[in-house]
Amino acid sequence: EPEVTQTPSHQVTQMGQEVILRCVPISNHLYFYWYRQILGQKVEFLVSFYNNEISEKSEIFDDQFSVERPDGSNFTLKIRSTKLEDSAMYFCASSVPGGYSPLHFGNGTRLTVT
Amino acid sequence: AQTVTQSQPEMSVQEAETVTLSCTYDTSESDYYLFWYKQPPSRQMILVIRQEAYKQQNATENRFSVNFQKAAKSFSLKISDSQLGDAAMYFCAYRLANTGNQFYFGTGTSLTVIP
Repeated sequence: EPEVTQTPSHQVTQMGQEVILRCVPISNHLYFYWYRQILGQKVEFLVSFYNNEISEKSEIFDDQFSVERPDGSNFTLKIRSTKLEDSAMYFCASSVPGGYSPLHFGNGTRLTVT
Repeated sequence: AQTVTQSQPEMSVQEAETVTLSCTYDTSESDYYLFWYKQPPSRQMILVIRQEAYKQQNATENRFSVNFQKAAKSFSLKISDSQLGDAAMYFCAYRLANTGNQFYFGTGTSLTVIP
């Protein structure tokens, strides 16, 4: 069964550094998402992406964040200048159109900002 | 605000027994979709079961079923004949049908299955 893949599985970075989290969504999916989960807290929506542009974003997704689909397969999340509070598990997900369509998640990238 | 509440941070169940995980949500919309996801340790979240809000009949998937009470905004998950492989974090979520496409998640319930 096709899967969403994320790399790296764990990223450690220093405060103020830029990080890029990478995802390969399922190939025939059209909607792409980033969610994050701070330890012990709920899974929070960051951004959704459709037709090569952001379709929706949350208040968390400020100017420090950006997403890109640089080619036909990758979907990236960039954090320009990381803060301690960016430490979290970041999940990529994809889906086909339709409200009843479920999200298909990757394994996540654990980001640790020191 | 769109919120999902899972009031049981941790639950445990004996193998072969039945357990119910609770979930309530808050939305002023009438058309939406509800989901339960399972996240085994160090693994990705996978869909367990889903329900369309306009359907009164509760969804079932093998040993998994839901009790959907729309008026109460409640969407509980029942796991029958619990197995060791059911041990995981379970997340309740919903998605509005007509406004945006994001999913709203709860904080999760950690389920332990006791042999």
